[in-house]
Amino acid sequence: DIQMTQSPSSLSASVGDRVTITCRASQGISNYLAWYQQKPGKVPKLLIYAASTLQSGVPSRFSGSGSGTDFTLTISSLQPEDVATYYCQKYNSAPSLTFGGGTKVEIK
Amino acid sequence: QVQLVESGGGVVQPGGSLRLSCAASGFTFSSYGMHWVRQAPGKGLEWVAFIRYDGSNKYYADSVKGRFTISRDNSKNTLYLQMNSLRAEDTAVYYCAKDTTVVTPVYYMDVWGKGTTVTVSS
Repeated sequence: DIQMTQSPSSLSASVGDRVTITCRASQGISNYLAWYQQKPGKVPKLLIYAASTLQSGVPSRFSGSGSGTDFTLTISSLQPEDVATYYCQKYNSAPSLTFGGGTKVEIK
Repeated sequence: QVQLVESGGGVVQPGGSLRLSCAASGFTFSSYGMHWVRQAPGKGLEWVAFIRYDGSNKYYADSVKGRFTISRDNSKNTLYLQMNSLRAEDTAVYYCAKDTTVVTPVYYMDVWGKGTTVTVSS
């Protein structure tokens, strides 16, 4: 099974900072990668699919990149409302749909 | 608006059974594949199961294969998860989630319910 490893597991940054989260697949998955945001006590929300396509309604400060095994989620200017845990998910082969372990983003 | 509402969670003893339901509204339920995803207390997301729009294909995580059964009733706009032989490690919030595209699944989820809590404990 392909494993998804996110780093860091948590980070603290200041408002306005550029934040980068990494997701690494143990084998190549082309661009079959999605990113979700889960705010404290809330339900996950789809941010990005196909590694870099922004879901409708998601602020443009979020962006995704990567292909194969290495992917990144970038928040260009961190806002207080971005405090959340972020998860990557591979979907290259059903039925194996695997989430990464999550990255918790806090404000410094 | 598009809405998913789960129900059926509760406390059950190890080895017991529970059936979760997910009532869908605001979209053509019969045209979309559906997922169950769970989240253990303080932990990350774990995909559990998927069913195609017409019920013709079902997929399961290895951790629940042979114990859980996903099904749907398109006439009632409802998704189900029958959980048997429950274990302590099945304790989690269970979310139902809608696949993003009509008919042909893409296997990522654009709408999530608020979840229902399952606790397996003696």
